[in-house]
Amino acid sequence: QVQLVQSGAEVKKPGASVMVSCKTSGYTFTSYGIIWVRQAPGQGLEWMGWISAYNGNTNYAQKLQGRVTMTTDTSTSTAYMELRSLRSDDTAVYYCARLRSQSIAAAANYWGQGTLVTVSS
Amino acid sequence: DIQMTQSPSSLSASVGDRVTITCRASQGISNYLAWYQQKPGKVPKLLIYAASTLQSGVPSRFSGSGSGTDFTLTISSLQPEDVATYYCQKYNSAPLTFGQGTKVEIK
Repeated sequence: QVQLVQSGAEVKKPGASVMVSCKTSGYTFTSYGIIWVRQAPGQGLEWMGWISAYNGNTNYAQKLQGRVTMTTDTSTSTAYMELRSLRSDDTAVYYCARLRSQSIAAAANYWGQGTLVTVSS
Repeated sequence: DIQMTQSPSSLSASVGDRVTITCRASQGISNYLAWYQQKPGKVPKLLIYAASTLQSGVPSRFSGSGSGTDFTLTISSLQPEDVATYYCQKYNSAPLTFGQGTKVEIK
């Protein structure tokens, strides 16, 4: 069965960086794209970006350009999301999700369990 | 960027009622529209993709329709387990914007 298992909760100080991992199993990793979505406390879902697990192509939300990097490790079927220069408004639950196809133009049918990142001094 | 606007922001209905949620795109997106359900404290779950295709395992009381700029999610007979926030998402091209969500409660 398809599974996406994310790394544990993080507490970071403003200005620091965080990396969240998303280890996948149960399918051919390079055949599907992955998106990252975050949800601030009590707020809605915010799309952060997409990565092709096939060739590493990325597309990031404009508001995060320059602060976010998404990567994959095909040897371990794991996706990573690094967010730098953290601010208090980056406090959120971060989700990885697998798309229904390799293309960015697809819905997300499998989701990780979420990783809470708290940014506080 | 294309904006996605859902209405209403929240609703309260009785068990067995027919519930309709609307999602409007600021520009045409063909049928590249998904609906997700997020129960309190849980992970989002895909209900419908391609505007009207039911994801495997989703109860048939959920249905989707629309194309272009106007889309609807319908719950034909509301059940207690349908209490959740529902989000639409466009995925024709980046950014894959979500609507602001519609919170559904039982009256």
